[in-house]
Amino acid sequence: SYELTQPPSVSVSPGQTARITCSGDALPKEYAYWYQQKSGQAPVLVIYEDNKRPSGIPERFSGSSSGTMATLTISGAQVEDEAAYYCYSPDSSGNHWVFGGGTKLTVL
Amino acid sequence: EVQLVQSGAEVKKPGATVKISCKVSGYTFIDYYMNWVQQAPGKGLEWMGLVDPENGETIYAEKFQGRVTITADTSRDTAYMELSSLRSEDTALYYCAPNSRYRVPKYWGQGTLVTVSS
Repeated sequence: SYELTQPPSVSVSPGQTARITCSGDALPKEYAYWYQQKSGQAPVLVIYEDNKRPSGIPERFSGSSSGTMATLTISGAQVEDEAAYYCYSPDSSGNHWVFGGGTKLTVL
Repeated sequence: EVQLVQSGAEVKKPGATVKISCKVSGYTFIDYYMNWVQQAPGKGLEWMGLVDPENGETIYAEKFQGRVTITADTSRDTAYMELSSLRSEDTALYYCAPNSRYRVPKYWGQGTLVTVSS
């Protein structure tokens, strides 16, 4: 079955840029989406269609995709950005959706 | 305001079946597919499948195929997720989450905790 691969953890100091990657064979064909999940809370959509931000999401969140890798970038990461981040995308059929394994972002 | 209200926590024995409901309000139920997502304690998100409330068509993740049934009752604006042959590994929080104009979920239910224990 289809898989999206993310690093388990990323750590940055406040104000630095955090980059979280997501690799998957169908990403050249399918959009990547990104969710932020803080402890004990439901996920929040932070990036859709590779690089678009939903309303209310700070500009420091951006996304990109090239080939089989999508990247979530948090420019000037803040302590409140500490969370797990998940990429989300369908397989090549477009019908079966998959979450990446998640990346724990530490900002300290 | 979009609201998704899920049924309460459940405790089930191994081998049993659980059925969780998700009552929606604040949008037209048939406009968006409804997804169900599993999250085991301390683990990541796992997409289980979805239903098109307009016609009842479903798509299931391979991992849950054969054990999960997702349905929608348009008369009640409510979606359901039934998981059978429960095992300890099914102990998890289950979320309902409709797709949105972004093509993926924006709003999520509060989650329903299912505990499988003998």
